[in-house]
Amino acid sequence: SQQGEEDPQALSIQEGENATMNCSYKTSINNLQWYRQNSGRGLVHLILIRSNEREKHSGRLRVTLDTSKKSSSLLITASRAADTASYFCATFKQTGANNLFFGTGTRLTVIP
Amino acid sequence: DTAVSQTPKYLVTQMGNDKSIKCEQNLGHDTMYWYKQDSKKFLKIMFSYNNKELIINETVPNRFSPKSPDKAHLNLHINSLELGDSAVYFCASSLTGTPLKAFFGQGTRLTVV
Repeated sequence: SQQGEEDPQALSIQEGENATMNCSYKTSINNLQWYRQNSGRGLVHLILIRSNEREKHSGRLRVTLDTSKKSSSLLITASRAADTASYFCATFKQTGANNLFFGTGTRLTVIP
Repeated sequence: DTAVSQTPKYLVTQMGNDKSIKCEQNLGHDTMYWYKQDSKKFLKIMFSYNNKELIINETVPNRFSPKSPDKAHLNLHINSLELGDSAVYFCASSLTGTPLKAFFGQGTRLTVV
C-alpha cells in the first residue's frame, strides 16, 4: 500500500513555538505533498516536494524529504493559533491510477 | 467562485435508502476523485475518473457508483445505505500527470441512521 503514516498523531504547542510533523511511506514516489484540513472543512494544498528534491520552503513552512528512508517532515516555524488544524502528507506515484494516497494525519493544536 | 463544490453539506438518511452527492469543479481539471474520511480522519480514495476512464478502489462496495455527465461533474450515488457508510465524503479534482496537486471540496457529512 502507498498509504503514508504521520507521527505524532496529535501535537500541542504554545504559540510562537515550532511544530514538526513526520510522515513515512512505503513505496517509491514521484512527489510528496502536505495538506491542511481545518475542522469540518476540505483539504487545502500547502506544499509539494519532488522525489529529486531534499528540502523546500514556503513562508513559515519547511519540508524535507529523504527518499532512502521513505520519510518526510513538515516544520511550521513561529506557530500561530490559526495554524491549528490537521496536517496530512500525500504521496503520488505516476501509475495508471494517478491517485494521491494520504497518511493518517497529525492533529496540531497551537495554544494562544 | 468556489473551485470544487459539493452538495449537500450534510445528509442524514435511513438505512436502505438510495442517495446522491453532487460535485462540480470550475477549474478546467480533467480528473475528479471521491475520497471517504472515516471517524478517525483516515482518508481513503474511492474513485478517480479521467477522460471517461473510471478507476475504482477494489475495496469500495458496488453499492457506490460515480456518474459523470461531463468533465466538470462527478456525482456519487449510493444504493442501499448501511450504517457503516456514515462518514465524510470529499470530492477533489486535478490535472492529469505530475505533480497532481488536488483541490478539494468542503465535504459532505453523511449520517446513516
